[in-house]
Amino acid sequence: QSALTQPASVSGSPGQSITISCTGTSSDVGSYNLVSWYQHHPGKAPKLMIYEGSKRPSGVSNRFSGSKSGNTASLTISGLQAEDEADYYCCSYAAGSSLVFGGGTKLTVL
Amino acid sequence: QVQLQESGPGLVKPSETLSLTCAVSGYSISSGYYWGWIRQPPGKGLEWIGSIYHSGRTYYNPSLKSRVTISVDTSKNLFSLKLSSVTAADTAVYYCARIGGGAGGGNWFDPWGQGTLVTVSS
Repeated sequence: QSALTQPASVSGSPGQSITISCTGTSSDVGSYNLVSWYQHHPGKAPKLMIYEGSKRPSGVSNRFSGSKSGNTASLTISGLQAEDEADYYCCSYAAGSSLVFGGGTKLTVL
Repeated sequence: QVQLQESGPGLVKPSETLSLTCAVSGYSISSGYYWGWIRQPPGKGLEWIGSIYHSGRTYYNPSLKSRVTISVDTSKNLFSLKLSSVTAADTAVYYCARIGGGAGGGNWFDPWGQGTLVTVSS
């Protein structure tokens, strides 16, 4: 299984919206609506932000939303805030009961 | 509040076996969910290693399957990772996590432990 493809970096100004893409194949993202997204501040434990494509865990801001089209899942963050600056990873359930992560995207809030 | 804490040697010699334990508090492993291991090599992304249910049912990353063993001890409320024949490429921060979701083996990780750095070097 190959890692899902994410852009290495994205940036935006406070208050703006950004979208991070996560491209897989018909064996993972395309076949299952089981993509999750994680926020990772270096040195800390990763935090679940979106699960099963578009569901938000309790306590996660509604500024975070998830979607999917074909083999590509997306994470959108609206109303960017300084504390959103972090690394973001997608993860998809895959054929054979595997789990595969994306390479990660560094979000910079300008 | 569920908490997970990894423990184990921070330095392992090449060709030896890496052994880590994840102690779970605030939730009984026997109550459900899958439990798993994820790693992050320095400067790289996350990689799923494998998952286990309290019954002992396991799922492993195909690329690591030949070297990985994950086990569970419900009496101590912990699960463990063994990775054999390690090389420098296995140097990473190793995280444990609870895995939720209805798919076989689960599909989302929450919460995570703080992680522990394991360096493979002679």
